Amino acid sequence: KAGVTQTPRYLIKTRGQQVTLSCSPISGHRSVSWYQQTPGQGLQFLFEYFSETQRNKGNFPGRFSGRQFSNSRSEMNVSTLELGDSALYLCASSLMTALGTDTQYFGPGTRLTVL
Amino acid sequence: TQLLEQSPQFLSIQEGENLTVYCNSSSVFSSLQWYRQEPGEGPVLLVTVVTGGEVKKLKRLTFQFGDARKDSSLHITAAQPGDTGLYLCAGAQGYQLIWGAGTKLIIKP
Repeated sequence: KAGVTQTPRYLIKTRGQQVTLSCSPISGHRSVSWYQQTPGQGLQFLFEYFSETQRNKGNFPGRFSGRQFSNSRSEMNVSTLELGDSALYLCASSLMTALGTDTQYFGPGTRLTVL
Repeated sequence: TQLLEQSPQFLSIQEGENLTVYCNSSSVFSSLQWYRQEPGEGPVLLVTVVTGGEVKKLKRLTFQFGDARKDSSLHITAAQPGDTGLYLCAGAQGYQLIWGAGTKLIIKP
C-alpha cells in the first residue's frame, strides 16, 4: 500500500508570495491533518479534514487555509508569506480503528523556505 | 497551553546506556501514541497504548501507559546509534491528537 505523498518536497518563496502544498493520503484514509514543524516550536497542529469538512483547527492565522477533495487529497495554502512561515509542513492521514484511536501516518513533508 | 509535557527535551548518551523518556499530562487520554522522527522525514508510529497500566515491548523499547491514562514512559535498554532521533508522544482525545514537544535523542558510538 502506497504511503502518504507530499508535493513539492522543497520550496523557496519570498515574503508576500503565496504557496500551495499538496498531500495524497493512504488509499482508504478519509482524515488528513496538517502540521507545521519548526525547531523552536515543535509540531504544531494546523487543521484536520475529514470527508471534505474541516473538523478541527489549530491556532494559526487566517493566512493558513486548507481544503480536501472528494478523493481525500488535500491542499493547504499560505498567503502573504512571512519569514516565520519557514518550516517543515507535514501531512498525516489517519485510520480510525474500532477502538476510536487515531493512528497517523505521516508523509515526508514539504520544506518551505521564505526569503 | 502545553497539555502534554515531554521530558527531557534533549538527551545525549553513550551507546549501551539505558534511558527513559516521559510524557505527562493532567488530562486523561483514550490512548497514547509514540512516534520517532528522523531528520528529513515525517514521524513514524512506534506503538499505541490503550489500557491504563498497559506495557508494550518492541525489542529494546518498553512503553508504559499510566494507570490513570494521564502519563506514559518510553524506556530504551542498551541504546544504539540507530535509536537516534526525535521521539514524540501524542495523546488521543476523541478524534484529536495532543502532541508533546518531543525529545531529541542522540546516541553516541
